[in-house]
Amino acid sequence: GAVVSQHPSRVICKSGTSVKIECRSLDFQATTMFWYRQFPKKSLMLMATSNEGSKATYEQGVEKDKFLINHASLTLSTLTVTSAHPEDSSFYICSASVRSEAFFGQGTRLTVV
Amino acid sequence: AQSVTQLDSHVSVSEGTPVLLRCNYSSSYSPSLFWYVQHPNKGLQLLLKYTSAATLVKGINGFEAEFKKSETSFHLTKPSAHMSDAAEYFCVVSPPGVDTGRRALTFGSGTRLQVQP
Repeated sequence: GAVVSQHPSRVICKSGTSVKIECRSLDFQATTMFWYRQFPKKSLMLMATSNEGSKATYEQGVEKDKFLINHASLTLSTLTVTSAHPEDSSFYICSASVRSEAFFGQGTRLTVV
Repeated sequence: AQSVTQLDSHVSVSEGTPVLLRCNYSSSYSPSLFWYVQHPNKGLQLLLKYTSAATLVKGINGFEAEFKKSETSFHLTKPSAHMSDAAEYFCVVSPPGVDTGRRALTFGSGTRLQVQP
C-alpha cells in the first residue's frame, strides 16, 4: 500500500514556542491531506483539510491562527502549532487517500511543558 | 450527515476465544465503512473495508466484518483472539464514491480490546 510518513514522532517543547509537524506522501501525490487530533483515550477528531496550493479548510472550533497548515507541494503538508500551550499536548495524525483508501502517518506525540 | 457509534468502549476476552466489536452507523446514503486498528502511540492500520461489494468482508489478521443494512451495523469479529490483538479499534464511515481522497473520515469513539492470557 501507499506510505504516508509523519515527522517527528515525538516532540517536547516549551510553552510559547512553535512546533512544525510534517506529513509526506512517499509514493503518491496527494492534493488533499487531513489533519486529525486525538486526545488521550479518545477518538480522532478532524482538525482541518489541507489542500495543495490553496488555503486549508478548518473544522469548527479549530483556531486557524494557532494551527497553521501549509500544503506547498503534492507530497508535503505541514502543521505548525504556534505559541504552544500545555493544552495543545496531544497526538496529531495526518492522512492522505489514494485509490479510495486512506493511509495514515505514524502520528506525532506533542508534549508542551 | 453521517455518524458511527461503537457500542463498547472496552472489551476484554481470553486468548483463544472469539472477539466481537460492535459498530452501528447512521448515514443518509450507502456509505463506505472501515475498521482500523491502533496500537499504543502508533498510527492507524486498515483492517478491512466495505465499499458496496460483498457484505461479508475479510480483512487482515483473521478479522472480518459483516455489513447489515437492515440493522445499520458493521460489527467486527475474529474467531480466536491472540495476545497481539490487544489494541484500540475504530469503526469509520466515509461518504461513498471514488473521490474519497477529498473526503475526511468520521471516526467512532473507539473500542479498547484487552486480551487476557
